[in-house]
Amino acid sequence: DVQMTQSPSYLAASPGESVSISCKASKSINTYLAWYQEKPGKTNKLLIYSGSTLQSGTPSRFSGSGSGTDFTLTIRSLEPEDFAVYYCQQHNEYPFTFGSGTKLEIK
Amino acid sequence: EVQLQESGPGLVKPSQSLSLTCSVTGYSITSNYWGWIRKFPGNKMEWMGYISYSGSTSYNPSLKSRISITRDTSKNQFFLQLNSVTTEDTATYYCARFYYVMDAWGQGASVTVSS
Repeated sequence: DVQMTQSPSYLAASPGESVSISCKASKSINTYLAWYQEKPGKTNKLLIYSGSTLQSGTPSRFSGSGSGTDFTLTIRSLEPEDFAVYYCQQHNEYPFTFGSGTKLEIK
Repeated sequence: EVQLQESGPGLVKPSQSLSLTCSVTGYSITSNYWGWIRKFPGNKMEWMGYISYSGSTSYNPSLKSRISITRDTSKNQFFLQLNSVTTEDTATYYCARFYYVMDAWGQGASVTVSS
């Protein structure tokens, strides 16, 4: 199975700041990486797939980059609703595997 | 708008079977793929498997001998059965619309395996 290493596990930032979350795969997954947002009381939300393609409805302050084994989720100018847990998931090969999550909290 | 809702027992005894239902509204399960994912305490997530629009299935090899995903198209529901559970199967179980990525999720059903 492809192992996904996500970092940091915890991140504190202020509204208006920009943050980046890293996801590294144990082997090349081409560009097949997705990012999800998890918030209490809400269903998980697909933000980005295929590395950099924004899902319909994802605000443009979210961006994804990377290919091969190294990927990054960047959130520019944080809004209050962005404080959540973020997961990456490789969708290059079965079984699909996830990163361990990054909790983004308000500083 | 597609909506998914998991339901089933919140407590299962070791060695028994875990059975969950995913009820889908706003979209037919005879289109697309439909999957199950679980999140363990500590936040590790595991993709469990899917059932396709045609009824074919694919499972995570780590679960292959214990898992079954089936469906009832007349009720627009699909089901998860996990046999011979242990305490390590304690998790929140999610159903989702799936095509390599999960673009619609249920709220999740918490299942504890304990005697």
